Amino acid sequence: GAVVSQHPSRVICKSGTSVKIECRSLDFQATTMFWYRQFPKKSLMLMATSNEGSKATYEQGVEKDKFLINHASLTLSTLTVTSAHPEDSSFYICSARSGSIFGQFFGPGTRLTVL
Amino acid sequence: RKEVEQDPGPFNVPEGATVAFNCTYSNSASQSFFWYRQDCRKEPKLLMSVYSSGNEDGRFTAQLNRASQYISLLIRDSKLSDSATYLCAVRPTDSWGKLQFGAGTQVVVTP
Repeated sequence: GAVVSQHPSRVICKSGTSVKIECRSLDFQATTMFWYRQFPKKSLMLMATSNEGSKATYEQGVEKDKFLINHASLTLSTLTVTSAHPEDSSFYICSARSGSIFGQFFGPGTRLTVL
Repeated sequence: RKEVEQDPGPFNVPEGATVAFNCTYSNSASQSFFWYRQDCRKEPKLLMSVYSSGNEDGRFTAQLNRASQYISLLIRDSKLSDSATYLCAVRPTDSWGKLQFGAGTQVVVTP
């Protein structure tokens, strides 16, 4: 149980384009989803917390107009990186939890490369 | 000071040996603690939760020391497949479920 999927797994795009990443909880309803970013050999950095049906809460230093998060249902959250730049290249990982699950379960991640 | 700190390693461990490492946290009000395993270029996978009384899952033993504000992970009879980066995660009491992660400890099990 507690399977989280993420799509796409890898994206290569040109600078200035927008990229949408989907995160789905497959076998449970996720009241809360989290979006992280991880640079090579660095720790996971929480970008934002997303609760179904409400606005996401962004961590300090994360631009909400650049990283648009939508949590439209209990099984789907999306992260859109708008006007991507090379410095946005990173490994983006979502995680999900519900009230009945202890801990967070991660999606397989999306590797974004902006040229 | 980082809120969650780990020795990055690498810990080079002969197959069959025991390895242990710690993770310190700064928020004394933290409630929940976890160990995750992350393989290269993959997502973290929950290894085990850490309970106040300490807990064991097969070859893995986790301990919590609230007085000194650290958690530990011990791996017995190391297997080659245990080679990975081990991330500790801490949930502060007022975090609405958010976790704070350490940067990870790399373990390399050698034949």
